[in-house]
Amino acid sequence: GESVGLHLPTLSVQEGDNSIINCAYSNSASDYFIWYKQESGKGPQFIIDIRSNMDKRQGQRVTVLLNKTVKHLSLQIAATQPGDSAVYFCAEMAGANSKLTFGKGITLSVRP
Amino acid sequence: GAGVSQSPSNKVTEKGKDVELRCDPISGHTALYWYRQSLGQGLEFLIYFQGNSAPDKSGLPSDRFSAERTGGSVSTLTIQRTQQEDSAVYLCASSPRAGNREKLFFGSGTQLSVL
Repeated sequence: GESVGLHLPTLSVQEGDNSIINCAYSNSASDYFIWYKQESGKGPQFIIDIRSNMDKRQGQRVTVLLNKTVKHLSLQIAATQPGDSAVYFCAEMAGANSKLTFGKGITLSVRP
Repeated sequence: GAGVSQSPSNKVTEKGKDVELRCDPISGHTALYWYRQSLGQGLEFLIYFQGNSAPDKSGLPSDRFSAERTGGSVSTLTIQRTQQEDSAVYLCASSPRAGNREKLFFGSGTQLSVL
């Protein structure tokens, strides 16, 4: 069946370094993607989104890259800070009025 | 309120008991979603509402699960005859309207533990 998955379950980075979190999706009909951040004891929080007609989108310290050819999505966090430590989820939607499908999540741990 | 509110934040129940989980969405948001998150897993879609109707109930795991929404606002998720495998965090989210690329705003969830 269709699924959204993440390559690695955990990622440990040094404070100040850049982080790259990767996500693979298998539904070729997916045309909208979102990255969410979930801190312990809280619900997921929207970080950034991208539509399939774009390859790259930048936010504050974050960049999302979309490669539709290989069905790959990545989240880049510049100058990673301790407050970035959380679980990150990619999610995809295939067409308007469809539900958001989430991947399993990856834990980002920032070393001081 | 300012955000999505869920209650209770924690619920411990005995196997076989019924539980009700409540979600109060952001004021004015017409779409409301329920997701389930098991330990170390992603978010599993359960059901969503547009207004008081539920166009997509496809994620409800069994007929023990039901949800309703009244007045286009508060929603309750009911689990009857709870089983241990129902233990999870139940997350509610709302958005201004369903689909159409509206981002979801999540509550903090209800941690359900079935003993």
